[in-house]
Amino acid sequence: AQSVTQLGSHVSVSEGALVLLRCNYSSSVPPYLFWYVQYPNQGLQLLLKYTSAATLVKGINGFEAEFKKSETSFHLTKPSAHMSDAAEYFCAVTSIDPYNNAGNMLTFGGGTRLMVKP
Amino acid sequence: NAGVTQTPKFQVLKTGQSMTLQCAQDMNHNSMYWYRQDPGMGLRLIYYSASEGTTDKGEVPNGYNVSRLNKREFSLRLESAAPSQTSVYFCASSIRQGMYQETQYFGPGTRLLVL
Repeated sequence: AQSVTQLGSHVSVSEGALVLLRCNYSSSVPPYLFWYVQYPNQGLQLLLKYTSAATLVKGINGFEAEFKKSETSFHLTKPSAHMSDAAEYFCAVTSIDPYNNAGNMLTFGGGTRLMVKP
Repeated sequence: NAGVTQTPKFQVLKTGQSMTLQCAQDMNHNSMYWYRQDPGMGLRLIYYSASEGTTDKGEVPNGYNVSRLNKREFSLRLESAAPSQTSVYFCASSIRQGMYQETQYFGPGTRLLVL
């Protein structure tokens, strides 16, 4: 079984400030972790993913996330927020059975809505 | 390359009515998924199809049926809509990348309101 907890359903930052969105996961096998972004009235777009290579993952739009196994965390950060970063962000976890060709089962967190103040 | 497309974009139904949500992908992906998104609950998997000809239940399958028509198309049917099915529905598709990696690509969503 796997699960994802995103701390804070709403986060507000000032333009230019650090963005930190928290994600903690639970997985019985080595996880693969994703961050997706959803702009208003749009579908989900992949920001970045961790697939057991480097623990610090860089994504699009200046975002990055660090996988910390000891803390079971995969927090998303960006050094300087832009107005265009205002959106909802979802953390998701999956674990793929290499012996099973079934599609992976993504489990999503509840989402964090990021607001950026001018 | 349109990616994942969904129709309709918006639909209003009365309780008890039926409808089919359509999804198509042009990325030659093997796996396709249907999710529903409700406030504060993230996305929850309704059904998925690992490959053409197979479908399996996800976390919240009750009240829904699916059909994997061919490799490109995966439809979701509500036989008798209920107000609890008011939600935003997303279709996604994916392909195995190497042995362990699979990224899901999402459509723009269908907003469904059941009165």
